[in-house]
Amino acid sequence: QQQVRQSSQSLTVWEGETAILNCSYENSAFDYFPWYQQFPGEGPALLIAIRSVSDKKEDGRFTIFFNKREKNLSLHIKDSQPGDSATYFCAADDTNAYKVIFGKGTHLHVLP
Amino acid sequence: GALVYQYPRRTICKSGTSMRMECQAVGFQATSVAWYRQSPQKTFELIALSTVNSAIKYEQNFTQEKFPISHPNLSFSSMTVLNAYLEDRGLYLCGASTDGVQDTQYFGPGTRLLVL
Repeated sequence: QQQVRQSSQSLTVWEGETAILNCSYENSAFDYFPWYQQFPGEGPALLIAIRSVSDKKEDGRFTIFFNKREKNLSLHIKDSQPGDSATYFCAADDTNAYKVIFGKGTHLHVLP
Repeated sequence: GALVYQYPRRTICKSGTSMRMECQAVGFQATSVAWYRQSPQKTFELIALSTVNSAIKYEQNFTQEKFPISHPNLSFSSMTVLNAYLEDRGLYLCGASTDGVQDTQYFGPGTRLLVL
């Protein structure tokens, strides 16, 4: 059973648009949700994260919207740039477990 | 800043042989180290979680006999893939985190394993 689901394998937007990447999860015990950005040939890098007590987290062009009742969240990338083209992984963490469960990733293409 | 190094970055081994990979945390104390495998078609599979002063916990489908892990201090961990076969190929990632700054897991660039 997949505990963290990302609704799209791939997403294409034009430069300047807002990219929206969706994610949902199963386990109510998850209380921390990091998003990772991975470029080809590299390991994942932490992009932005939110705790379940919050419904929104913003950092520059990146915003997470979180809905605890619905068990879903989304990553919004404003003013998308070609350099944002990468694979984005939604992840969830039970903070007592020190391990992160990843979704399968959404590959974002930003066209110039 | 917090950095995690992994080496080698890429390695090729013959089927049935073993391969050791290393993970080094710099700038923070790696109280916990999680080893993952990212296969071509899959997301990250957690292999095991090693926490200082606790036993190493292996996930289902992964065993110590196949993936022995060492975590001797707060900056270093290694994992060996024993008797590697084709299904073991992939990108092996080390994710390190520290007590007190829980949740923030820093990843290394990975060791890509090719098995011939």
